[in-house]
Amino acid sequence: QVQLQESGPGLVKPSQTLSLTCTVSGGSISSGDYYWSWIRQPPGKGLEWIGYIYYSGSTYYNPSLKSRVTISVDTSKNQFSLKLSSVTAADTAVYYCARGWVTAAGSFRFDPWGQGTLVTVSS
Amino acid sequence: DIQMTQSPSSLSASVGDRVTITCQASQDISNYLNWYQQKPGKAPKLLIYDASNLETGVPSRFSGSGSGTDFTFTISSLQPEDIATYYCQQYDNLLMYTFGQGTKLEIK
Repeated sequence: QVQLQESGPGLVKPSQTLSLTCTVSGGSISSGDYYWSWIRQPPGKGLEWIGYIYYSGSTYYNPSLKSRVTISVDTSKNQFSLKLSSVTAADTAVYYCARGWVTAAGSFRFDPWGQGTLVTVSS
Repeated sequence: DIQMTQSPSSLSASVGDRVTITCQASQDISNYLNWYQQKPGKAPKLLIYDASNLETGVPSRFSGSGSGTDFTFTISSLQPEDIATYYCQQYDNLLMYTFGQGTKLEIK
């Protein structure tokens, strides 16, 4: 059973770069047709998809964040990472990593998810 | 970009009530719509996929319907453990994923 776990600093200063890592256990990050994704949720607000790295290494980002986002993968560590540059207080959120995948019947879902990690942007 | 408009934003109902949430897409997304349940402090959990299919292990009181731009999520008989926030999510082109704003469900 695949499990995901986010890690990284819980506090980032304004204008700096937020860096998070998602460690995948119970399966190889490079096997299968998966979209390794980051999704965030500001306190008390809804969910926003940030982007993904496909198992082939290609990436796609939310256009609203594209200029500041980089998602990369380290297959040797079975991890993928998020970097978000030039952060402001508006980037304060719980950040989730999740596996996106398409079933044999053609249905897409985000499953499983990590437990989420709160990142606060403050000086 | 496809926008998802979910309503209501909050809802108060009694145990045993029938509860309905709607989600409207800004363009035709066929049936490429999921419904998730999120309890406080937890990650979202998939309940309904392809607009109307019940995920394995999810109680049958949950259901979904719709296609194109208009979708509905229903709880046939509200239970105390259903208190959560519910989100719709579209996946029309596998390049951009959008969630609705969420519906916070409370017990009256």
